[in-house]
Amino acid sequence: KQEVTQIPAALSVPEGENLVLNCSFTDSAIYNLQWFRQDPGKGLTSLLLIQSSQREQTSGRLNASLDKSSGRSTLYIAASQPGDSATYLCAVVRSNDYKLSFGAGTTVTVRA
Amino acid sequence: NAGVMQNPRHLVRRRGQEARLRCSPMKGHSHVYWYRQLPEEGLKFMVYLQKENIIDESGMPKERFSAEFPKEGPSILRIQQVVRGDSAAYFCASSPTESYGYTFGSGTRLTVV
Repeated sequence: KQEVTQIPAALSVPEGENLVLNCSFTDSAIYNLQWFRQDPGKGLTSLLLIQSSQREQTSGRLNASLDKSSGRSTLYIAASQPGDSATYLCAVVRSNDYKLSFGAGTTVTVRA
Repeated sequence: NAGVMQNPRHLVRRRGQEARLRCSPMKGHSHVYWYRQLPEEGLKFMVYLQKENIIDESGMPKERFSAEFPKEGPSILRIQQVVRGDSAAYFCASSPTESYGYTFGSGTRLTVV
C-alpha cells in the first residue's frame, strides 16, 4: 500500500519568501507524481506532473523535483505572493496502477 | 475546452434520500475516476470507469453506492439512503489515457441533514 506524507502540515510566510513543500512516499515503484493546488471549498488544480523517468519539472515560479529512489518530491515556489495561499497536495500513481494516492496536504498562508 | 464539469456544486439531502452526482469528463477523455474527501481527511479513490464499464470499484462502499458511465451522457455517482457519514466533497477526475494527466472537477459538496 502506498503511503504519502506531506510535511509540514501548515506553513505561514511573509510575502516574497520562497516556499519549500515536502512530499514522501513509501513505495518507490511509481509511474508519476502530481502536485495540485486546492483553494478552500474548491476543486483541485494541477500544477506539475513529473513522470518517473524525470528528475524535475518547472512552470513559472514553481519547480518540483523527484527523487524516486529515496521516495521524495519537493515543490519550490519562488517569491511567494498572497495569491499562493492555498492547500498543496502531492499525489502519486504506482507502476501498473491508476489510482492516485494523496497526501494530507500542506496549507500555505502568505502574509502581505 | 470546458474542463471536467460536475453538478450540482452543492447538494443537501435528508437522511434516507438518494443523492445523484454527475460528472462530464473533458472532451477527448474516456477515463473517469471518482474520489471522496471527508472532512479533515485526504482524498480517497472510490471508482474508475470507462464508457459502459466499471474497471475498479474497490474504493467504493459495498452497499448504497453505485457508479455508471453510460455510452451517452455523464458519469453518475449514486448514493442511496444517505446517512450523515456520507457528507463529504466528491470529486471527479478524467484523463486521456489510464494513469496519466488527471484533470479534476470542482467537486460536489454533499451535506446530509
